[in-house]
Amino acid sequence: EAQVTQNPRYLITVTGKKLTVTCSQNMNHEYMSWYRQDPGLGLRQIYYSMNVEVTDKGDVPEGYKVSRKEKRNFPLILESPSPNQTSLYFCASSPRAGGYNEQFFGPGTRLTVL
Amino acid sequence: GQQLNQSPQSMFIQEGEDVSMNCTSSSIFNTWLWYKQDPGEGPVLLIALYKAGELTSNGRLTAQFGITRKDSFLNISASIPSDVGIYFCAGRSLGTNAGKSTFGDGTTLTVKP
Repeated sequence: EAQVTQNPRYLITVTGKKLTVTCSQNMNHEYMSWYRQDPGLGLRQIYYSMNVEVTDKGDVPEGYKVSRKEKRNFPLILESPSPNQTSLYFCASSPRAGGYNEQFFGPGTRLTVL
Repeated sequence: GQQLNQSPQSMFIQEGEDVSMNCTSSSIFNTWLWYKQDPGEGPVLLIALYKAGELTSNGRLTAQFGITRKDSFLNISASIPSDVGIYFCAGRSLGTNAGKSTFGDGTTLTVKP
């Protein structure tokens, strides 16, 4: 089944403890992206990757890192999480970047930073 | 960055009523997308619009890509309880902004049986 998977689905952590949220897609998509969703703010793009080893900042990249060493995986790294990073995170992928490519979303990761 | 203004923020309607929501932008997009998010899940694509002026239907859903390429609307006809959820518009571009995706803040729809 074609899908985007994220792990973990739920995570409670403490301020300053490094964490990684994994994202994997099995559709051979070139483009992958991370979003955070907060009440009343919709989805805001954190980072995106046009292809392997090509990443760029979205609208809210502060406090996050990403890497794209292989096509299927796009982990989101929080080196020193803070309470304002408590949010619902979504990974998405599409065949390529740009206007004519539909994005497929993962199920989400709910992160709480105490 | 680019911003989308989506309205209304929320709607409370009776089953069977029609629904309309829209998005406007200060920037031009090459693609307008409408997603629905059910509680506890990721957004799922409903309709994609690729050309200015395009009118596309998907069952009871109809969406249009504005002529100016700066707006789009989504209509839902004869609403049913399973239409409940959050609806998002999104815009995507080509060229130097090809990697960016901009979403509206969402319209939360409640349908009373």
